[in-house]
Amino acid sequence: EAQVTQNPRYLITVTGKKLTVTCSQNMNHEYMSWYRQDPGLGLRQIYYSMNVEVTDKGDVPEGYKVSRKEKRNFPLILESPSPNQTSLYFCASSSISHTDTQYFGPGTRLTVL
Amino acid sequence: RKEVEQDPGPFNVPEGATVAFNCTYSNSASQSFFWYRQDCRKEPKLLMSVYSSGNEDGRFTAQLNRASQYISLLIRDSKLSDSATYLCVVSLISSGSARQLTFGSGTQLTVLP
Repeated sequence: EAQVTQNPRYLITVTGKKLTVTCSQNMNHEYMSWYRQDPGLGLRQIYYSMNVEVTDKGDVPEGYKVSRKEKRNFPLILESPSPNQTSLYFCASSSISHTDTQYFGPGTRLTVL
Repeated sequence: RKEVEQDPGPFNVPEGATVAFNCTYSNSASQSFFWYRQDCRKEPKLLMSVYSSGNEDGRFTAQLNRASQYISLLIRDSKLSDSATYLCVVSLISSGSARQLTFGSGTQLTVLP
């Protein structure tokens, strides 16, 4: 089954404790991205990657890091989480020729205390 | 001013009703337009693309007015299963030929029995 998976689905952590949210897709997509969704603000792009070892900032990259060492994986790293990073996070992927049509993972609900 | 603006609703309509959502976008260079659907606590999924000539998919009709920078979605004969949040999405070509999506904050629809 074609899918995008994220782990963990739910996470409660404390300020300053480094964490990683994993994202994996099995569709051989070149393009992957991370979004956060907050009430009244819609989805905002954090980082995106057009292929292995190619990453770029989205609209709200501050406080986040990503890496793309393999085509299928695109982890999101919060080196020192803060309460304003409490949000619902979605990973998405698409083919490079159809980045309009993105397939989203199930989401990770993160709470930073 | 937000790049993509939608009436957040909520829209509460009876089964069988016709309901219309509107969306405006600020960047006249936007090239492609979409409606995504998001069920409660789930990931967004592509509902339909929006073409200048207007397009229809069953009970759903999407319209684009480039001059007014306005997109609409019409749902006829509403079903209970149409209850969801509808996200207006516009895209632009950014660096490296990737299309960047900008999401509206969504319009919430509840279809009542």
